[in-house]
Amino acid sequence: EDKVVQSPLSLVVHEGDTVTLNCSYEVTNFRSLLWYKQEKKAPTFLFMLTSSGIEKKSGRLSSILDKKELSSILNITATQTGDSAIYLCAVDRNNLFFGTGTRLTVIP
Amino acid sequence: DAGVIQSPRHEVTEMGQEVTLRCKPISGHNSLFWYRQTMMRGLELLIYFNNNVPIDDSGMPEDRFSAKMPNASFSTLKIQPSEPRDSAVYFCASSFGNSYGYTFGSGTRLTVV
Repeated sequence: EDKVVQSPLSLVVHEGDTVTLNCSYEVTNFRSLLWYKQEKKAPTFLFMLTSSGIEKKSGRLSSILDKKELSSILNITATQTGDSAIYLCAVDRNNLFFGTGTRLTVIP
Repeated sequence: DAGVIQSPRHEVTEMGQEVTLRCKPISGHNSLFWYRQTMMRGLELLIYFNNNVPIDDSGMPEDRFSAKMPNASFSTLKIQPSEPRDSAVYFCASSFGNSYGYTFGSGTRLTVV
């Protein structure tokens, strides 16, 4: 049975902190791994990772995939209150299979 | 592009009633997905279509749920009869191949009382 496990389930940090969110997977027919940010409405796309060891970066966010360890991390540096959201990891196996997410709360 | 459009945004219905959720994917996208999100189970795939053909409906909870995609620009998810445990946010997403990721609609929040 396919699995995507995210940790921690929730996290509370102060503005300016750096956070690392984890995602591990066991999925047949792996094509890519995606990260989404969900605030009040629909998940919004952050990154798609297909190759191991290549970091993708967007502003203060970055992510990397380790296919040997079947895992990925999402880093957020210098966190802001606007980063408060649920961060979802999903594996593309011709459809997206999601983890349960990490709820990040950034306190001023 | 208006993105993936779902309607209605909110639906409150009584147990036993039929509910129909609608989705218009992004023009040119050839895959469409229906997801359900609850606090307990997170985002679960219900069914997906490729070129209007249902590919995998193994996530559909039971026979009360059905989905159709009569053409490339429209899909429906129907629940008949609805039950309180169907209360959730239902998302539709579309994609073209896998190069550009998946785009989600704003969701329909369903409450069955």
